[in-house]
Amino acid sequence: KAGVTQTPRYLIKTRGQQVTLSCSPISGHRSVSWYQQTPGQGLQFLFEYFSETQRNKGNFPGRFSGRQFSNSRSEMNVSTLELGDSALYLCASSTNKGLYPSGANVLTFGAGSRLTVL
Amino acid sequence: GQQVMQIPQYQHVQEGEDFTTYCNSSTTLSNIQWYKQRPGGHPVFLIQLVKSGEVKKQKRLTFQFGEAKKNSSLHITATQTTDVGTYFCAGPNGGANNLFFGTGTRLTVIP
Repeated sequence: KAGVTQTPRYLIKTRGQQVTLSCSPISGHRSVSWYQQTPGQGLQFLFEYFSETQRNKGNFPGRFSGRQFSNSRSEMNVSTLELGDSALYLCASSTNKGLYPSGANVLTFGAGSRLTVL
Repeated sequence: GQQVMQIPQYQHVQEGEDFTTYCNSSTTLSNIQWYKQRPGGHPVFLIQLVKSGEVKKQKRLTFQFGEAKKNSSLHITATQTTDVGTYFCAGPNGGANNLFFGTGTRLTVIP
């Protein structure tokens, strides 16, 4: 069973540019979550998608957006990049069907996309 | 808002010593999960605790969920160099379907 695949693994952008990151979840997983990881802030939740719908959103500016496709693949986009957006962006999938508190939302993470903004 | 603090932030131990990290939530958790992230890697799920006072073991690792379901601990007996990494606890973010991660404890094991 293939794991969570994230592309690209590394990328360098300059301030003001935009970036799109892709995530292919484990087959059969319909929930995809995105996290930003930085040394100073730890793992910060960005958003979660289920069946092409954004169910939850973290406390990030509107420059951060995402979407999910019918095959559960997800993309996130960051526009007008700032230096502080340099981070490891992690995607995670789960089978969580939204049955809170199910205790079933175990996350399987991808290797991440490391973004450097110059 | 919800906060999950872990202590200590960093821990250096000699190989063979024990290690414990503590996780404290500002709110009651329906369940708690633990993840390990090796240096340069990504978080990997270790275990989930659901019941009040629950204790689970995985070889040298012992996980505990507090009676009030607001705190948890991970204890490693006789650490090995393979235990190096950052350990995160995580709980459901209120009624939302996402996990809120703790601040993490970075473990260094000195051979």
